[in-house]
Amino acid sequence: GDSVTQMEGPVTLSEEAFLTINCTYTATGYPSLFWYVQYPGEGLQLLLKATKADDKGSNKGFEATYRKETTSFHLEKGSVQVSDSAVYFCALSDLGSNYQLIWGAGTKLIIKP
Amino acid sequence: ETGVTQTPRHLVMGMTNKKSLKCEQHLGHNAMYWYKQSAKKPLELMFVYSLEERVENNSVPSRFSPECPNSSHLFLHLHTLQPEDSALYLCASSHSPGVSGNTIYFGEGSWLTVV
Repeated sequence: GDSVTQMEGPVTLSEEAFLTINCTYTATGYPSLFWYVQYPGEGLQLLLKATKADDKGSNKGFEATYRKETTSFHLEKGSVQVSDSAVYFCALSDLGSNYQLIWGAGTKLIIKP
Repeated sequence: ETGVTQTPRHLVMGMTNKKSLKCEQHLGHNAMYWYKQSAKKPLELMFVYSLEERVENNSVPSRFSPECPNSSHLFLHLHTLQPEDSALYLCASSHSPGVSGNTIYFGEGSWLTVV
């Protein structure tokens, strides 16, 4: 079945550091891929998405490129801020999941000033 | 403001109580969802409603009873819960499920503690 694997956290970085959070997937079809973010005490918000291979999603300085050859959708940001501290979830949807979201376990990101 | 509003934000209930969680969406969507988020577990999809009909029920115990009176409102009725049901309950909405690339929009969640 479809699945999403994220790097385990927490990931702790200093402010202005470069961020990568790895996400790989298995899917039976051609999935759409998503990154959601959950700030402390809040629900999940869509951060970015990509619906086909080689698409790049971007928002708030974050980027992720849909890599079909490596079945990956790694999240990157060039210079993180304390306000980026949150839990980040990678997810996919495709025909095999009846287009319901299949979620990764989440990666907690801690940014220190 | 996400367009999906959940009440109450926090709820403490005893195991013999009956309570309800409420969700309202202002996005013009026709699908609504309940998710459960527990510590150290992946996000669990509980129920999906499309055009007020339940289209997904992921083996959720009957002590959780959803209700969707119209496409803007969703309830989760709770009765005789167990302490392990303590979690963050997230409501979400979207355009019709079953569409590639469909984006789901979440509310801020209702924190439930069962004592």
